[in-house]
Amino acid sequence: NAGVTQTPKFRVLKTGQSMTLLCAQDMNHEYMYWYRQDPGMGLRLIHYSVGEGTTAKGEVPDGYNVSRLKKQNFLLGLESAAPSQTSVYFCASSYPAGKGAGPSEAFFGQGTRLTVV
Amino acid sequence: AQSVSQHNHHVILSEAASLELGCNYSYGGTVNLFWYVQYPGQHLQLLLKYFSGDPLVKGIKGFEAEFIKSKFSFNLRKPSVQWSDTAEYFCAVNRLSGAGSYQLTFGKGTKLSVIP
Repeated sequence: NAGVTQTPKFRVLKTGQSMTLLCAQDMNHEYMYWYRQDPGMGLRLIHYSVGEGTTAKGEVPDGYNVSRLKKQNFLLGLESAAPSQTSVYFCASSYPAGKGAGPSEAFFGQGTRLTVV
Repeated sequence: AQSVSQHNHHVILSEAASLELGCNYSYGGTVNLFWYVQYPGQHLQLLLKYFSGDPLVKGIKGFEAEFIKSKFSFNLRKPSVQWSDTAEYFCAVNRLSGAGSYQLTFGKGTKLSVIP
């Protein structure tokens, strides 16, 4: 199994450009997440999804959009990139721990290092 | 306010020293708790998790954590660290959000440097 795969691994954008980060998981997980990691800030949740066709805002959603048209894919879009969006982006997926228990542990992709100049 | 607090930003230890990393959270109600490790240049990997039952949980690589509900804490411990434990450690909490779905929230992380 590939697990969680992120595409691309590296990208440099100019301010104002748009791009889409793709996350694909082959574990049939219900939950999917997008985080950004910045030095000293830990991982901050951008958006998440609890199932196909559903998305929700996390802690830092501004400037990002997401879509979950297929259960295995979770796309993160930047409509107009800004230097403040320079970061490492991690996608993760998870499965239900049990009835009413919420998600179990998250499985992470390798990350996408995005630089906006 | 920080919802998941990790007390130490950077910890430096010699090999064979004992380790304890603090984690406190500020959510009421039912929570699921995790510790993840991130080795340099890599993604996060699960060390251990707590959902219910015995509050002392054991994870991989000799790590363990204790859930103390009254203190809202989930501290990570290892009796004797090795140079290969050099990494960043993240505490995470899964809890019901106001929107009625679970959110996985991370602390800011603790960098551990182990000196040979």
